[in-house]
Amino acid sequence: NAGVTQTPKFRVLKTGQSMTLLCAQDMNHEYMYWYRQDPGMGLRLIHYSVGEGTTAKGEVPDGYNVSRLKKQNFLLGLESAAPSQTSVYFCASSDTGHSSGNTIYFGEGSWLTVV
Amino acid sequence: KQEVTQIPAALSVPEGENLVLNCSFTDSAIYNLQWFRQDPGKGLTSLLLIQSSQREQTSGRLNASLDKSSGRSTLYIAASQPGDSATYLCAVTGGGNKLTFGTGTQLKVEL
Repeated sequence: NAGVTQTPKFRVLKTGQSMTLLCAQDMNHEYMYWYRQDPGMGLRLIHYSVGEGTTAKGEVPDGYNVSRLKKQNFLLGLESAAPSQTSVYFCASSDTGHSSGNTIYFGEGSWLTVV
Repeated sequence: KQEVTQIPAALSVPEGENLVLNCSFTDSAIYNLQWFRQDPGKGLTSLLLIQSSQREQTSGRLNASLDKSSGRSTLYIAASQPGDSATYLCAVTGGGNKLTFGTGTQLKVEL
């Protein structure tokens, strides 16, 4: 039972390069999320999706784009990486929104360093 | 804006001790509160969820309480074990279905 899988797990980028993080879930969840986690700060929501073909901005969306072409996949793109985007990125999924109290499942994280 | 605070940031206890982790939030208009566990280099795992209408939830040696009016929650861990060593995060769901996380308490249980 894979749950939520993120690739790649580690990546080093040069400033200005682009890359895409892939998140895949096998639980048929409608909702998917991308968070970043930085030292001394709680997880912050970058973008989220409430279903296939939908995306919405979270708390810190600048410098990122997302796509949800298939229900099971949620892609996070960095168009022109900056050192401020050095972080650990977590993908998560849930069957419904947070207010309903359904369990949210997290991937194991992707460590991104921008030099 | 909702703010979630967890004190202490780090805690070290001997094995077998009962302990309490604290979480406070500034806006009491929440749908629920969750406690998560995060192991080093791993993602978050949901431990307990308390709906706003509930006062507490229990799972094994874990008991979480919620006092919504005062903006506080506690996670009680009974008879701590080295395997309990991890970072524990709380998060509240507020308006707009937004999940706001605290920065966590890093727990170390020593032999």
